[in-house]
Amino acid sequence: NAGVTQTPKFHILKIGQSMTLQCTQDMNHNYMYWYRQDPGMGLKLIYYSVGAGITDKGEVPNGYNVSRSTTEDFPLRLELAAPSQTSVYFCASSLREGGTDTQYFGPGTRLTVL
Amino acid sequence: AQSVAQPEDQVNVAEGNPLTVKCTYSVSGNPYLFWYVQYPNRGLQFLLKYITGDNLVKGSYGFEAEFNKSQTSFHLKKPSALVSDSALYFCAVSPKSGNTGKLIFGQGTTLQVKP
Repeated sequence: NAGVTQTPKFHILKIGQSMTLQCTQDMNHNYMYWYRQDPGMGLKLIYYSVGAGITDKGEVPNGYNVSRSTTEDFPLRLELAAPSQTSVYFCASSLREGGTDTQYFGPGTRLTVL
Repeated sequence: AQSVAQPEDQVNVAEGNPLTVKCTYSVSGNPYLFWYVQYPNRGLQFLLKYITGDNLVKGSYGFEAEFNKSQTSFHLKKPSALVSDSALYFCAVSPKSGNTGKLIFGQGTTLQVKP
């Protein structure tokens, strides 16, 4: 299994542009998550999904959108990029079992907005 | 507000010595507790978790963590540190209420193990 994969690894975006960060998992996990990691801070949850067709906001959803049309894919859309969205973005997935689960993370996308 | 605190930005230890990375939390109920490790330019890797039962949890790479309910702490430990343990360590909690599996992370602690 490849686990959780993310593309691109790096990207530079201009202010006001839009882009989609891709996330795919091949573990048949039902739950998926998007986090951002800023320097000196822990990860903050942006959006999450408990299954195909179901998404919900996390702690810092403003400026982002998600969709979950399949179990495998959970893309994150940035509309009208701002410098405050410069960050490292991590996608994670988990299999819900027994009331708790372990999240498995992708390698991350380092995004710079200039 | 629910939160996780890692009071030390950096922990320095000599190779072969025991190490402790501290974590305390402020979450209602009895949450699930996790430790993750992040190597440079990599994603987070799961180390161990506490769900219930024995307060001492054993995980990957010789790490263990001790849960203390009265002190709301979940400190990460290893009896003998290796240079290769040098990395960024995150404590995280998952509140049982809501049952969404969402993780609340601490700000991270950099572990530096010197030869």
